[in-house]
Order: sequence, then structure tokens, then C-alpha cells
Amino acid sequence: DQQVKQNSPSLSVQEGRISILNCDYTNSMFDYFLWYKKYPAEGPTFLISISSIKDKNEDGRFTVFLNKSAKHLSLHIVPSQPGDSAVYFCAASFRGSQGNLIFGKGTKLSVKP
Amino acid sequence: GAVVSQHPSRVICKSGTSVKIECRSLDFQATTMFWYRQFPKQSLMLMATSNEGSKATYEQGVEKDKFLINHASLTLSTLTVTSAHPEDSSFYICSATPDRYQPQHFGDGTRLSIL
Repeated sequence: DQQVKQNSPSLSVQEGRISILNCDYTNSMFDYFLWYKKYPAEGPTFLISISSIKDKNEDGRFTVFLNKSAKHLSLHIVPSQPGDSAVYFCAASFRGSQGNLIFGKGTKLSVKP
Repeated sequence: GAVVSQHPSRVICKSGTSVKIECRSLDFQATTMFWYRQFPKQSLMLMATSNEGSKATYEQGVEKDKFLINHASLTLSTLTVTSAHPEDSSFYICSATPDRYQPQHFGDGTRLSIL
């Protein structure tokens, strides 16, 4: 059973608008969450992270929200740009471990000009 | 920023061949490196955790005699797929982190195709 779920395989957004990517998890022991962006033929690139002691972390156009009671996190990109078009992976880990990441299946974001 | 180099990017070979994939951290030392595998339309699945100077820790269901991992230095880990068969065809990707409390940085992956 998947512990990290990204239920939307794809998302299409107009340039300048907000992109909202969602992620759900089942294990309440996860205490560190990350978002990675992946372009074709490249490895995932770290985007932003959040510790379970916070409910929001912002970095420029990217904001991650964490709702622990709902076991849900989301990545907001505003304003969206065509260069943001990529596959976005949500990942979770236990920071007390060696840092093993549990990944979702990814959401392909397309930002149209 | 942290750079992880993975080589080769693509391998096509015959069944029964052994294939070695290298993962290097170029600008930081990595006590721990990770090896993942991704099948089409699936998520990245952790195969094993590679610890410098000690044996790798394999995830359940991953054959350690099939996927040999060596982490001989703080900047290099290798994954050898021994006697590869068509069902081993997949996308293999490594990652490394300076320490467990920092994000993992990924290589660009290796597309392995066994004929």
C-alpha cells in the first residue's frame, strides 16, 4: 500500500495563474516532507521542504502547506511560468532514520503560455 | 549547489551481462548514498542505502546478490546488476546527502535496457 499518494497524475495551468499540487500520506510518523521537480532525462531536483513542526514554508514563488491532521500537503506555485512545466514528486521521510525517502508517483504539471 | 553525477546515462546490453553504474558526489562528501529504481508510471522505489565503509542496507524484496553495492569512498558508490535479465530493465537513480538532515541530491539516472 502506498504511503505517499499523489492522486492527480497531471495538471494543466495557464501562465500567471496559481498551480496547486497535492499530496496525501498515511503514516503519521513521517516528520519531514519534500518536493522535487523532474525534467525529462534528468534526475529530480530538490525544490522545497517542510518539517512536521511547521505548517507552512515559503521560498519565492513556491509555498508548501502541511496539514498534519488531514495528513495532507500541497505545493503552491504562484505565478506559474512555462518553465515550471515538469513532473513534481512529493516525498516523505523520518528524520530519525538515515533519510530514506518515500516518494509519490508524481504529478505532471503543464503551464501553458 | 550540491552536484551528484551518475554514469552511464544509458545502457543496452544482452541478457546475462553484468552492468556497473557509478554515482559520485562532486562537491561534497556523502556518508550515505541511496539507490532507487523506477518502473514506468510508478514512483521512485528505494532499493538500498549505501553506507561508506560498511555493507549496504537493502529494502525488502531486493536481492542483495543480484544488486551489488559498493561504497568505497565518501564520494563514490557503485551499483552492479549481476547477470542482468530483461525484467531488470528499468530506470536506476542514485542520490546522496551530506548528512541525513539535508535534502537528497539526485543523479540524472541510468536507463538500463536488457535485450
